[in-house]
Amino acid sequence: RKEVEQDPGPFNVPEGATVAFNCTYSNSASQSFFWYRQDCRKEPKLLMSVYSSGNEDGRFTAQLNRASQYISLLIRDSKLSDSATYLCVVNWGPNTGFQKLVFGTGTRLLVSP
Amino acid sequence: SAVISQKPSRDICQRGTSLTIQCQVDSQVTMMFWYRQQPGQSLTLIATANQGSEATYESGFVIDKFPISRPNLTFSTLTVSNMSPEDSSIYLCSVETDTQYFGPGTRLTVL
Repeated sequence: RKEVEQDPGPFNVPEGATVAFNCTYSNSASQSFFWYRQDCRKEPKLLMSVYSSGNEDGRFTAQLNRASQYISLLIRDSKLSDSATYLCVVNWGPNTGFQKLVFGTGTRLLVSP
Repeated sequence: SAVISQKPSRDICQRGTSLTIQCQVDSQVTMMFWYRQQPGQSLTLIATANQGSEATYESGFVIDKFPISRPNLTFSTLTVSNMSPEDSSIYLCSVETDTQYFGPGTRLTVL
């Protein structure tokens, strides 16, 4: 089983659509979770952290299910500028400061007019 | 946050040669990390670099192939030694502040 597993996509959606990405992770001791966004030929950038209670940032909602070792990202009202690869990232390290991040292979999103 | 720069941004090298990549951050940080992103793949951690101590390498990566320096709290280098075409990849450094921030990457092609 891969350490962090994602559907590679691509997900092709029209503007305004709602799209959801899923991710599973294998290390049940993982302490923190993130979604990063990577544009073509660019470095990854933090989109949002994922908390057990679920969290929302504008059009983006992240959920964590520790029992199922499952993370999700929901994007509402998709914009053309949302086209990118979304990386599910899990912190494998101790929970005090040092982060050992393990990356999924990413899910590619293409939003069309 | 942190602003990170890398040099060179890209290079094309002959097999058997070595390339040193520089990473500069605009503030003092304890931890710096080096990642590799092979074509079509996600990021894989190569090693963690602390100032004043030897780098800690992940499984599958060794110091002879990827020597790292960390002379101060704002700078690190990664050398890709005795390169082969399989080393063609993007190499990224990152730092940890409130989370991990990544440099723009060095795109390496080995012929």
